[in-house]
Amino acid sequence: DIQMTQSPSSLSASVGDTVTITCRASQSISGYVNWYQQKPGKVPRLLIYTASTLQSGVPSRFSGSGSGTDFTLTISSLQPEDSATYYCQQAKTFGGGTKVAIK
Amino acid sequence: QVDLVESGGGVVQPGRSLRLSCAASGFTFNHYAMHWVRQAPGKGLEWVAGVSHDGGNQYQADSVKGRFTISRDNSKNTLDLQLNSLRVDDTAVYYCAREVSVLWGTMGHFDSWGQGTLVTVAS
Repeated sequence: DIQMTQSPSSLSASVGDTVTITCRASQSISGYVNWYQQKPGKVPRLLIYTASTLQSGVPSRFSGSGSGTDFTLTISSLQPEDSATYYCQQAKTFGGGTKVAIK
Repeated sequence: QVDLVESGGGVVQPGRSLRLSCAASGFTFNHYAMHWVRQAPGKGLEWVAGVSHDGGNQYQADSVKGRFTISRDNSKNTLDLQLNSLRVDDTAVYYCAREVSVLWGTMGHFDSWGQGTLVTVAS
C-alpha cells in the first residue's frame, strides 16, 4: 500500500501569512491527491482534488500543486477561520494530518 | 442538496456486533461509490471500507478485513456497515462519505460526508 507522509504535523502562523503543507507519497502516484480541512468537532471538508482543482465554494486562497511523490497545499493570506487540521488523501490512504494554529 | 445521515452507533462490549446505517438523499445514490471512514478520538482519518455504485465490489482496510462488511441497498438509498468481533481500538466516529471518481478504477475524492456516528467499544 502507498503511504502518505504529511509534514509538518503542526504549525503556527500569523494572519496574512502564507502556509505550506507537504504530503509525500511512498511511491510515484498519478496526481490523484486530495486535501481536506477539519475543524474541531466538525466533519471533514473537501478543499482540493486531483492535486490542484479547487472544490466549489472553497476560497481561492487555498491552492494545491505537485506531481510524482510530492504534493503541497498552500494557504495564502491565512485567515483566523483557517485554524484547523488538514489531511491529504490518496485513494484509501490519508496522511497523518497537519494542525494549523493562528498566532 | 446532498444529505448523508448515519445511525446505529453506541456503546458495545468487546467481541460484540453493531450495524451502522447511512441514509442518503439529494442525489442519485446508485451513481456513486460509497465509503465508511472513521476517526478515533483525537486521531486522524482512517478509511474503513468502500462499495461500488452497484454493490458488486466491496473493499475493506486490512485492519477490519474479516470483521466488517459493507453493503448497500440502492432501492432504499442506504449504506450499511456490519461490525463484528469489535475491539477496543475500533472505538471511533464513523463517517459515511460519497466518492466522486475521476478515473475509472482509481479511488477518487470524498466530496460529501455525514455527521458521523460514534461507536464506543468498552467493557
